[in-house]
Amino acid sequence: DTGVSQDPRHKITKRGQNVTFRCDPISEHNRLYWYRQTLGQGPEFLTYFQNEAQLEKSRLLSDRFSAERPKGSFSTLEIQRTEQGDSAMYLCASSPSLAGIQYFGAGTRLSVL
Amino acid sequence: RKEVEQDPGPFNVPEGATVAFNCTYSNSASQSFFWYRQDCRKEPKLLMSVYSSGNEDGRFTAQLNRASQYISLLIRDSKLSDSATYLCVVLNYGGSQGNLIFGKGTKLSVKP
Repeated sequence: DTGVSQDPRHKITKRGQNVTFRCDPISEHNRLYWYRQTLGQGPEFLTYFQNEAQLEKSRLLSDRFSAERPKGSFSTLEIQRTEQGDSAMYLCASSPSLAGIQYFGAGTRLSVL
Repeated sequence: RKEVEQDPGPFNVPEGATVAFNCTYSNSASQSFFWYRQDCRKEPKLLMSVYSSGNEDGRFTAQLNRASQYISLLIRDSKLSDSATYLCVVLNYGGSQGNLIFGKGTKLSVKP
């Protein structure tokens, strides 16, 4: 499968725990994006990388959130001290260029109890 | 005002019907426009890009009016498999920006 891959697909955690998600983009794509989607809403932008550089972060990305893309390939999104409001689908997308079409992974569904 | 606004829906239509979705965007400098389709509990998938000249892909026709900041999607001869949420999406890029801005989506249910 050469599409965008996300792991895990589902994560259930208790409030206050840390969680980490992984995204493997399409191999030729140098741009990688993270979005969050809650029920009844469209996806909302969190952050994006061009190669290993994190170029933009949304105000939605609080201090408890951190994202990395250390070698310009896969990326991780970590949420520290999770809160119930963090429950959402976390989507990763990749694109070959700034104006290129973004292709989405299947997402990681987070439930914070 | 939200950056991208869509018809609230849901749209419940019989098979074979023609249905139209509308969308407006607030940033006149927006550069690229798309319709994505999202099935329940799945990721968004690109349905089609939208061009100023209008474009058609089989039963689907998309239109863009930059002066009115308005985007539309027309689905002819609806199929049961068209049931999904349709997301109007705008891409603003310039400098280091390049993220997609999504509407809330319009849910379509096609009934037999």
